[in-house]
Amino acid sequence: AQTVTQSQPEMSVQEAETVTLSCTYDTSESNYYLFWYKQPPSRQMILVIRQEAYKQQNATENRFSVNFQKAAKSFSLKISDSQLGDTAMYFCAFMSPKINTGANSKLTFGKGITLSVRP
Amino acid sequence: DVKVTQSSRYLVKRTGEKVFLECVQDMDHENMFWYRQDPGLGLRLIYFSYDVKMKEKGDIPEGYSVSREKKERFSLILESASTNQTSMYLCASSFRGFNEQYFGPGTRLTVT
Repeated sequence: AQTVTQSQPEMSVQEAETVTLSCTYDTSESNYYLFWYKQPPSRQMILVIRQEAYKQQNATENRFSVNFQKAAKSFSLKISDSQLGDTAMYFCAFMSPKINTGANSKLTFGKGITLSVRP
Repeated sequence: DVKVTQSSRYLVKRTGEKVFLECVQDMDHENMFWYRQDPGLGLRLIYFSYDVKMKEKGDIPEGYSVSREKKERFSLILESASTNQTSMYLCASSFRGFNEQYFGPGTRLTVT
């Protein structure tokens, strides 16, 4: 079974600075997908960024980028120029495609990290 | 925009009551999911459905059942609520395949 580990429960960063959230996972599969989701206080969870394991290039979405190290099974999220609106809980998630079953969209989540951006 | 709605934001029920949590999505997604979110435990999958009337158990199905009679609606049922089912319940949906899940706002259920 796949596991996702987010070892830091909380982090804090000064506005406009850069912060990196770490995530490691364990799998024996070679093809899979990784996601970072953001859950702002009292608001809906939304997708931040997605990475396909077969792609060597790290995904980027505006101020958000990932450092995907497949051999190390590491998938960290870097937030540049942190903004107050980045204050949220962030979840790392793993998806293992299982072809020919109905389970091909299941996500396994880490425990999450609470990020606070200080003004 | 994809919209996933849940019937209640807050719900208070008594031990032993039958509880229904409803989720509706408007994007014609094949997959729908129910998660429970607890501090320090992250999100844990209770049940999911990949088609109408189809369901599969997730990681923590005990004490729960689900129903999917229409594609857009997925219900979570607590047959006899217990205090250890006090939690935040999140519904999500996605297209079949390796696609992102879209989440509802959550229902915070308290069982007293």
